[in-house]
Amino acid sequence: KQEVTQIPAALSVPEGENLVLNCSFTDSAIYNLQWFRQDPGKGLTSLLLIQSSQREQTSGRLNASLDKSSGRSTLYIAASQPGDSATYLCAVKGGGANSKLTFGKGITLSVRP
Amino acid sequence: GAVVSQHPSWVICKSGTSVKIECRSLDFQATTMFWYRQFPKQSLMLMATSNEGSKATYEQGVEKDKFLINHASLTLSTLTVTSAHPEDSSFYICSANIPSGYEQYFGPGTRLTVT
Repeated sequence: KQEVTQIPAALSVPEGENLVLNCSFTDSAIYNLQWFRQDPGKGLTSLLLIQSSQREQTSGRLNASLDKSSGRSTLYIAASQPGDSATYLCAVKGGGANSKLTFGKGITLSVRP
Repeated sequence: GAVVSQHPSWVICKSGTSVKIECRSLDFQATTMFWYRQFPKQSLMLMATSNEGSKATYEQGVEKDKFLINHASLTLSTLTVTSAHPEDSSFYICSANIPSGYEQYFGPGTRLTVT
């Protein structure tokens, strides 16, 4: 059974800091991995998706990497801003395109002005 | 990008009543939709996988008679919480696969409060 872990559960940083959010998963037989953002009381916004054959994806100030063999992914946020404050969820999709996503519990990020 | 909507966005109902939540893919056809439940400060837990024209596949521990799922068309799936109780109060989120299955798109969620 796939398990996804995100540590720490919460993180507070000053504005402008570069930061790394970590995600680990137990079963390396994944189809893809997604990072999501969730604001309080809201749904999920997809940030980056990495296919199992890829090593990283970039979008603006965000960069996500994937090391499938070690069961790890990182989300790098450059020059953090208060607007980046949210919960960041990592999710892995199992062995097929229509397989389910397994989510971590998320990291709640607070960027202080 | 692909858009998934949910209706209602929030609902309050009395214990013992039933509530229906709709999930629609607005600009694509979704053969597979997923229903998740999220408790405060917890992650999303998959409840069931809904396939158009067939019965939903429920995750272990989810009562299929309590959480009725219907995927009647390629753009609509519904979740009905029957005989709701306060412990059913939660945030329910649906998602849909684009046809290639490459990525899931999520709806904005429905906040259910049972009094």
